[in-house]
Amino acid sequence: NFMLTQPHSVSESPGKTVTISCTGSSGSIASNYVQWYQQRPGSAPTTVIYEDNQRPSGVPDRFSGSIDSSSNSASLTISGLKTEDEADYYCQSYDSNNQVFGGGTKLTVL
Amino acid sequence: EVQLVESGGGLVKPGGSLRVSCAASGFTFSNAWMNWVRQAPGKGLEWVGRIKSKTDGGTTDYAAPVKGRFTISRDDSKNTLYLQMNSLKNEDTAVYYCVTPWWVGASLIDYWGQGTLVTVSS
Repeated sequence: NFMLTQPHSVSESPGKTVTISCTGSSGSIASNYVQWYQQRPGSAPTTVIYEDNQRPSGVPDRFSGSIDSSSNSASLTISGLKTEDEADYYCQSYDSNNQVFGGGTKLTVL
Repeated sequence: EVQLVESGGGLVKPGGSLRVSCAASGFTFSNAWMNWVRQAPGKGLEWVGRIKSKTDGGTTDYAAPVKGRFTISRDDSKNTLYLQMNSLKNEDTAVYYCVTPWWVGASLIDYWGQGTLVTVSS
């Protein structure tokens, strides 16, 4: 079964840049779009990146997504970190038309 | 504006049944593929299953842990999605989210409801 692996946690200081990786277990991660969701404590997830690197309206351009086929991974990069970015982040893609989620990464901004 | 509002969660005993609902508005529900995603307390997101639009066949797919126990259905006349959960286990305890990919321009973006908590416990 296809799996997506994320680091359990990352931390960085306000104003800095952080990158969260999402590595596919098999096949090519570029074969299907990757989405990224932000989940603040006590809230439902919201989409911050869709179709690998697109931002929904209202998501700051500090958020960007990319795909690296050589490492079979997707990445979410957040620049100019703010304390409000502190949240759990999940990547998501597809396996035989079924959704697959990464295990989530807790971002701490300290 | 896309809105998804789940309801029907609660406390149920192991082996019991429960049906949760998701009321949709702000988009053409009958044309949408609808998903259920759950999140156990303190854990990550887990896809539960999906139902396609009737024009795309109306078929359902389920994750292995719930296959044969859970059933997803839809009532397009009421703009409502359902998740019927039978033979519930303690490990089904989770917040259940209704999620739909909907069009923004030529792209699909996932929209999430606020979730409803299902607790399976004796």
